[in-house]
Amino acid sequence: QVQLVQSGAEVKRPGASVKISCKASGYTFSRSYVHWVRQAPGQGLEWMGIINPGGGTTIYAQNYQGRVTMTRDTSTSTVYMELGSLTSEDTALYYCVREGEGQMPFDFWGQGTLITVSS
Amino acid sequence: DIQMTQSPPSLSASVGDRVTITCRASQGIGNHLAWYQQKPGKVPKLLIYSASTLQSGVPSRFSGSGSGTDFTLTISGLQPEDVSTYYCQKYNRAPYTFGQGTRLEIK
Repeated sequence: QVQLVQSGAEVKRPGASVKISCKASGYTFSRSYVHWVRQAPGQGLEWMGIINPGGGTTIYAQNYQGRVTMTRDTSTSTVYMELGSLTSEDTALYYCVREGEGQMPFDFWGQGTLITVSS
Repeated sequence: DIQMTQSPPSLSASVGDRVTITCRASQGIGNHLAWYQQKPGKVPKLLIYSASTLQSGVPSRFSGSGSGTDFTLTISGLQPEDVSTYYCQKYNRAPYTFGQGTRLEIK
């Protein structure tokens, strides 16, 4: 069965960076794009960007360009999302999400990784 | 970028009621519209894709309609377990924008 397992919660200082991992299993890693979505406490869902695990190409939301980097390791079927220059407004749950095959929306979600930014 | 606007932001209805949530895109998106359900403290779950296709395992009381710019999610016969926040999302191309969400409560 499809699974996306994310790394654990972290606490970061303002100005620091954080790198979250998302290990995929149960499907052919290179065949489905992976997205990152975040949700601040009590707020809605915000799309951050997408990575093509096959070729490594990325598209980032305008709000995060210059501050986010999405990468992948095909040998371990893992995608990574690194976000820099953290502020308290980056405190949120971060989800990796699989895009279904054949231009489908998001059919499988990771469990979420809570990032807390606090001095 | 295309904006996605949901209404209402919240609503309260009784068990058995028919509930409708709307989602409007600022430009046409064909039928590339999905609906997600997020129960309190849980991960979002895909309910409907292609505007009207029910994801496997989703109860038939959920239905979706629309194309272009105007879409609706309908729950026919509200159940207590439907208490959730519902989000629409465009997925024709990046950015894959979500609506602001509609919080559904039981009266």
